[in-house]
Order: sequence, then structure tokens, then C-alpha cells
Amino acid sequence: NAGVTQTPKFQVLKTGQSMTLQCAQDMNHNSMYWYRQDPGMGLRLIYYSASEGTTDKGEVPNGYNVSRLNKREFSLRLESAAPSQTSVYFCASSPPPGTSGRPQETQYFGPGTRLLVL
Amino acid sequence: SQQGEEDPQALSIQEGENATMNCSYKTSINNLQWYRQNSGRGLVHLILIRSNEREKHSGRLRVTLDTSKKSSSLLITASRAADTASYFCATRITGGGNKLTFGTGTQLKVEL
Repeated sequence: NAGVTQTPKFQVLKTGQSMTLQCAQDMNHNSMYWYRQDPGMGLRLIYYSASEGTTDKGEVPNGYNVSRLNKREFSLRLESAAPSQTSVYFCASSPPPGTSGRPQETQYFGPGTRLLVL
Repeated sequence: SQQGEEDPQALSIQEGENATMNCSYKTSINNLQWYRQNSGRGLVHLILIRSNEREKHSGRLRVTLDTSKKSSSLLITASRAADTASYFCATRITGGGNKLTFGTGTQLKVEL
């Protein structure tokens, strides 16, 4: 299993440009999450999807949109990038209730996408 | 604002020593988790402690939870250079579904 994969690994945008960050997991997880990580701030939740077909706002959703395309894929879109969106973006997923092994509440993270908005 | 605050922000120790990191949080929780992040990588889950548990062990890791003080500590015993990483606590807030709220992290450096 590849786990959680993210593309691209690194991206430079100009202010006002749009882009979509892709995330996929092959672990049959129900829930998926998008975070941003800024120096000294830890991780902050942007959006999450508790299950296929549902999405909800997290702590910092402004300027972002998401799509839960199917059970495997959860994309994050920046419609008009701003320098304040320069950050490292992480996607994560968590298993459904009753999964053997780690508790359902644990999250599995992708390697991240570094985004620079000029 | 962040739910969890870690202390210290940075910690430097010698290989073989123990490392202790603390996490304080603000609201009632269902569980508290610790994650590790190596430089430039994603986070990796280390250990989960539920609100009705006071202590948990996993290998060289020992986690305690004091819900009356809204605090937790992570102890890494006999540290190794490979333990050099950032460590984050994350809380699953009561009634918050599966969402986690992360702290600001402790940067641990283990020197040879």
C-alpha cells in the first residue's frame, strides 16, 4: 500500500492564480482531512470529509474549496492564491470504526505539498 | 486559537538521556494523541491515550494524562539520535467527531 499520496510536492504560484492539490489514499479509509502547517503554528484544519459525499469546514477554510471525488480522493482548491496561503499542506485520512489495529481516531498523513505564493 | 500548547518549544539533549515534553489543552477531550514529524515529512502517529486512562506505554514512550489539569506529558526514555524530530500533541475534542486539534509542537534534538 502506498498509504496517503499527495501531488504536487512543490508548487510556486503568482498571486491570483488557481491550483488544485491532489490527495489519494489506498487504505479504504472513510475520513479525510486537509491541514496547513505554518512555522510556530502547528497544524490547522482547513476542511475535512467524514465520509464520501460529505465535506465540512475546519478552523481556517477561507480561500479554499474541497471536493471528495470518491472514497479514495480528496482535493483542495485555491481559486485565487494569496501570499498568506504560502504554507505546507498536508492531507490525512483515518480508518472507519471497527478497523483492527490502530484506533479509528488516529490519522495517517501524506508527505505534504510545499506551496509558495509570490 | 490552538487547543494544545506544547512545552518546551525546543529541547536539546544528549543521546541516552530521557526527553520529556508537555502538552496543555483547553476543553474536554475524548482522547489525546502524540505524533512525530521528521524534518520535511508528514506526521506519524505514536500513541493514543483515552480520557479515562492515566498512563500508557509503548516501547520507549510513556504518556501520562491528567484531565483535571488538562495536561499530558510524553517521555522518551534512552533517547537516540534518530529521535530527533518535532513532536505534536493532538486532541480529539468531546463532541468534535473525528477531528483533531494539534498543538504547536516541541522540537527535539538528540545529540551524539
